[in-house]
Amino acid sequence: AQKITQTQPGMFVQEKEAVTLDCTYDTSDQSYGLFWYKQPSSGEMIFLIYQGSYDEQNATEGRYSLNFQKARKSANLVISASQLGDSAMYFCAMRVNLAGGTSYGKLTFGQGTILTVHP
Amino acid sequence: NAGVTQTPKFQVLKTGQSMTLQCAQDMNHNSMYWYRQDPGMGLRLIYYSASEGTTDKGEVPNGYNVSRLNKREFSLRLESAAPSQTSVYFCASSEMDGRKTQYFGPGTRLLVL
Repeated sequence: AQKITQTQPGMFVQEKEAVTLDCTYDTSDQSYGLFWYKQPSSGEMIFLIYQGSYDEQNATEGRYSLNFQKARKSANLVISASQLGDSAMYFCAMRVNLAGGTSYGKLTFGQGTILTVHP
Repeated sequence: NAGVTQTPKFQVLKTGQSMTLQCAQDMNHNSMYWYRQDPGMGLRLIYYSASEGTTDKGEVPNGYNVSRLNKREFSLRLESAAPSQTSVYFCASSEMDGRKTQYFGPGTRLLVL
């Protein structure tokens, strides 16, 4: 069974500063993907970034980057130059991949981290 | 291109009543999913449909049934609602490629009294 752990219930950051949101995972599978989603107070789920278990480089998408440490089974999200609009709940999730690139179709989510950006 | 749409947005039920949550996607995705989100928790998978014609149980299927009506539509039915089913329900869809994200609908807030 897969498990995602987000140990920070809440985080605070000053506007324009960088912040790291922690995520550790547990799986015995070799092929898997890690996702980060943002959920603002309006409730929608917004995809931020993806990291595959075989990707050699850490994923980056604009101000978002993923600090992937496979041996430690961690996939921390780094947000650079925080903005007030980054205040939201952030979820780490994992999907295990079947051979051939298809997936079990199951995203396992962590409990989330509430990020508050102060002006 | 509306993405993933869900109806209704909000519903109040009495214990024992039944209802169906509707979900449709216009992205030609093969796979569709139903999740629930309880306060302070991440999303938990209820049921999913890897492709048209197939459905499988997720982590928390008890008390729910699903129907993959066609490639676009995937409905979730509560036959006899219980207060424990008070939650926010999200539908999602994706390509079968494991590297691709799931796209989520706006959610349905369900209150069971």
